[in-house]
Amino acid sequence: EVQLVESGGGLIQPGGSLRLSCAASGLIVSNTYMSWVRQAPGKGLEWVSLIHGGGGTYYADSVKGRFTISRDDSENTIYLQMNSLRADDTAVYYCARAFSLVAPFEYWGQGNLVTVSS
Amino acid sequence: EIVMTQSPATLSVSPGERATLSCRASQSVSSHLAWYQQKPGQAPRLLIYGASTRATGIPARFSGSGSGTEFTLTISSLQSEDFAVYFCQQYKDWPLYTFGQGTKLEL
Repeated sequence: EVQLVESGGGLIQPGGSLRLSCAASGLIVSNTYMSWVRQAPGKGLEWVSLIHGGGGTYYADSVKGRFTISRDDSENTIYLQMNSLRADDTAVYYCARAFSLVAPFEYWGQGNLVTVSS
Repeated sequence: EIVMTQSPATLSVSPGERATLSCRASQSVSSHLAWYQQKPGQAPRLLIYGASTRATGIPARFSGSGSGTEFTLTISSLQSEDFAVYFCQQYKDWPLYTFGQGTKLEL
């Protein structure tokens, strides 16, 4: 059974930094395509970032230069380092897995709330 | 960026009725279209991919159709557990995956 468990969210002041983690079981993160998708309160879904098996990374324009996706193969975990946080980054952040670049998100974590506020 | 537009924003239906949800892409996504169901406080759940293929464990009352820019999700006979928000997503234009704004199915 595939499980994705996020952690690391919370309340942070504007301009601050936070690192989210997504621990995977039932799949190997280095062999697949892992993304972060966020959802602002009461809003729709927004793809944020992706890391694929070869280590390549991609970012939405809204977070490029501020967020960094990475992974630790020994821990089977992916991360999202978020710097220079803004109020409009407030959202539930989900990690999600797709089996290729041209594929839907078939597995999702439970989500982790990040609130950027003073 | 491919913009996904869903209609209606809210659909009021009764259990046992048929529900039809629409999704339009601003340019062709071929059949690279997925539908998700989301209940309050939960993560989205994949229902349909490839525009018309049900994901594992999804009941047959859910069906998808369409290609190019026009897509439809049909729920043939609504059950109480089907009242939720439904999102469409295109994955043709990777990695700039985009979602519709959602259709809320309510009683």
